[in-house]
Amino acid sequence: AQTVTQSQPEMSVQEAETVTLSCTYDTSESDYYLFWYKQPPSRQMILVIRQEAYKQQNATENRFSVNFQKAAKSFSLKISDSQLGDAAMYFCAYFSMEYGNKLVFGAGTILRVKS
Amino acid sequence: DSGVTQTPKHLITATGQRVTLRCSPRSGDLSVYWYQQSLDQGLQFLIQYYNGEERAKGNILERFSAQQFPDLHSELNLSSLELGDSALYFCASSPREGSGFDNEQFFGPGTRLTVL
Repeated sequence: AQTVTQSQPEMSVQEAETVTLSCTYDTSESDYYLFWYKQPPSRQMILVIRQEAYKQQNATENRFSVNFQKAAKSFSLKISDSQLGDAAMYFCAYFSMEYGNKLVFGAGTILRVKS
Repeated sequence: DSGVTQTPKHLITATGQRVTLRCSPRSGDLSVYWYQQSLDQGLQFLIQYYNGEERAKGNILERFSAQQFPDLHSELNLSSLELGDSALYFCASSPREGSGFDNEQFFGPGTRLTVL
């Protein structure tokens, strides 16, 4: 079974600075999708960024980018120029190509942004 | 706004009771997924329906059941409720079943269930 591990329960960053959230996963599949979701205090799940495993190029969405290391099974999220609105719980998630009916989530990382 | 609606937003009930959570997917989406978010279990997949048929099951208890109706809305039924069932229940929808970048899951706002 696929598992997703987020080893940082909580992180803090100063406004305008850069922060990196870590995620590792375990799978025997060669192709799959990886996602980062943001859950603000409103509890709404918001897709931040996604990556398909066969693509070597790291995904980027404005201030959000990933460092995808397939061999190491690592998928970290970098937030540049952090803003107060970035404060939220961030979940890393795995989506299987073969068994593509569910997202497997990590435990989440709480990100606090200091002004 | 993801386009996925869930009702009710909050539900408070007692142990042993039965409740029904409702989800309306985005227009055109045929797949509906249910997830449970609790403090001790985190976010976990419960069940998926595609065009009225059950497609995948996760860690769903036997006391829980779901269905998807011809109009594609879905209901999650929770019975013989226990204190540990208190959680945030999310519904998500996607255009089709299976994987694919174009099959992104869009999440509803969730239903907060409190069992007293």
